[in-house]
Amino acid sequence: GAVVSQHPSRVICKSGTSVKIECRSLDFQATTMFWYRQFPKQSLMLMATSNEGSKATYEQGVEKDKFLINHASLTLSTLTVTSAHPEDSSFYICSASPPLAKNIQYFGAGTRLSVL
Amino acid sequence: AQTVTQSQPEMSVQEAETVTLSCTYDTSESDYYLFWYKQPPSRQMILVIRQEAYKQQNATENRFSVNFQKAAKSFSLKISDSQLGDAAMYFCAYRLSNTGKLIFGQGTTLQVKP
Repeated sequence: GAVVSQHPSRVICKSGTSVKIECRSLDFQATTMFWYRQFPKQSLMLMATSNEGSKATYEQGVEKDKFLINHASLTLSTLTVTSAHPEDSSFYICSASPPLAKNIQYFGAGTRLSVL
Repeated sequence: AQTVTQSQPEMSVQEAETVTLSCTYDTSESDYYLFWYKQPPSRQMILVIRQEAYKQQNATENRFSVNFQKAAKSFSLKISDSQLGDAAMYFCAYRLSNTGKLIFGQGTTLQVKP
């Protein structure tokens, strides 16, 4: 079945540094990928829609200069948390839909970011 | 704007028993998709079941079934013969037709007691 891979699964960084998270569709091409953020015991909040070959679409309240999204190929989208601060610590999840099953989103395993 | 509401933060069920998780939503669209996702302690989101709004028949996947009431905008999940591995957080989600975005409910944590 469709698989979405996310890397790294966990990252710990110092405040002020930048962190890049990768999301790959392993056996299908994805023109669109989605990035979510999830705080403990809470729901998933959509941050942005990553569009291959064009700019990402950010949800209201999400700082685009803080959370840089690049979707340079049909199988890879990256989320870079720039100048990370402790309040950026969270669980970040990506998802994508296969062309033949556009109505279903498959999720990566998520990345736990801890900013010290 | 579309909203999804799960009014049960926590539920518990005895192993082998049946439990129903509630979900209501609000939309002005006539055709849409609804989903139930499971998030176990590993936090990997797993698709449990989906329902297409234009289909009147309730979706079923093995021990999982839904009660889709379109007029009432209700989409509950029934888990039969509950197993210990069903313990997880369950999210109801609505898919926006034009963008493909998912709107999630608040989630329900299901505990399965042996």
